[in-house]
Amino acid sequence: SYELTQPPSVSVSPGQTASITCSGDALAKQYTFWYQQKPGQAPVVVIYKDTERPSGIPARFSGSSSGTTVTLTISGVQAEDEADYYCQSADTTDTYGVFGGGTKLTVL
Amino acid sequence: EEQLVQSGAEVKKPGESLKISCKGSEYSFTHYWIGWVRQMPGRGLEWMGTIYPRDSDTRYSPSFQGQVTISVDKSMNTAYLQWSSLKASDTAIYYCARGNYQMPRCFDYWGQGTLVTVSS
Repeated sequence: SYELTQPPSVSVSPGQTASITCSGDALAKQYTFWYQQKPGQAPVVVIYKDTERPSGIPARFSGSSSGTTVTLTISGVQAEDEADYYCQSADTTDTYGVFGGGTKLTVL
Repeated sequence: EEQLVQSGAEVKKPGESLKISCKGSEYSFTHYWIGWVRQMPGRGLEWMGTIYPRDSDTRYSPSFQGQVTISVDKSMNTAYLQWSSLKASDTAIYYCARGNYQMPRCFDYWGQGTLVTVSS
C-alpha cells in the first residue's frame, strides 16, 4: 500500500530553523497536512493543503511543496515546539489516507 | 467552536466485542467526513477509515479492511468504530477526526482519543 517517508528525528538548537521532509509518489497530485503531537495529547494541524496555516498557529510554521516532496519548516524554533510531527495525505485515487511515520523534533 | 467528543476508556478481554463513539457538535455534522486513527503504544498514527454521515459512504485503509467496522447515526451526530472480536494487538488510543472539506482524507479537528486496552 501507499507510504509516506519522513526522517525519524531532527534536532536543532533554539532559534535555529528546523526542516522536516515528507516524500511520497502521490504528493505531486494530493495535498499534504502536517500535525504536531505532544506527549499525551491529540494531534493538532499546523499546516494544511501544503502551505496554509490555521488560525492560532504561529507564523514560524510554514510549508512548501516540490514535486513528490513536501517540507515543514519551523523558523526560530522554540522549546515548546519539541514534539512529534506527522505528514498526511491520500492515495492517488483519494480512496484512503496515509500518515508518514512521524519525526521527533528535539530542541537541544 | 467545532468539537468532537469521544467515549471513555475501555478495558476488554480478547475475543470480546466493542463499539466506541465520537459525537460532533458546533458544525454541520452530515457535511463532513469523520475518520478514525489508531495510535499503538509508543508508535505513530495510522489511518483506519472514514465515513460520510450524509449517506454512510465508507472507505477503509487496506490495512484495516475487514478488521473493524465504521458506522454513523446522523440523528445523534455520532460516528462509531467497532470490533467483533478484539485481540491484544488492538490495544491502542483511537482518535476520531473531522475530514477537511476540500481534502476529506485529511483532518482539521480531532477528538480527545479513546484508550482501548485488551488484556486477559
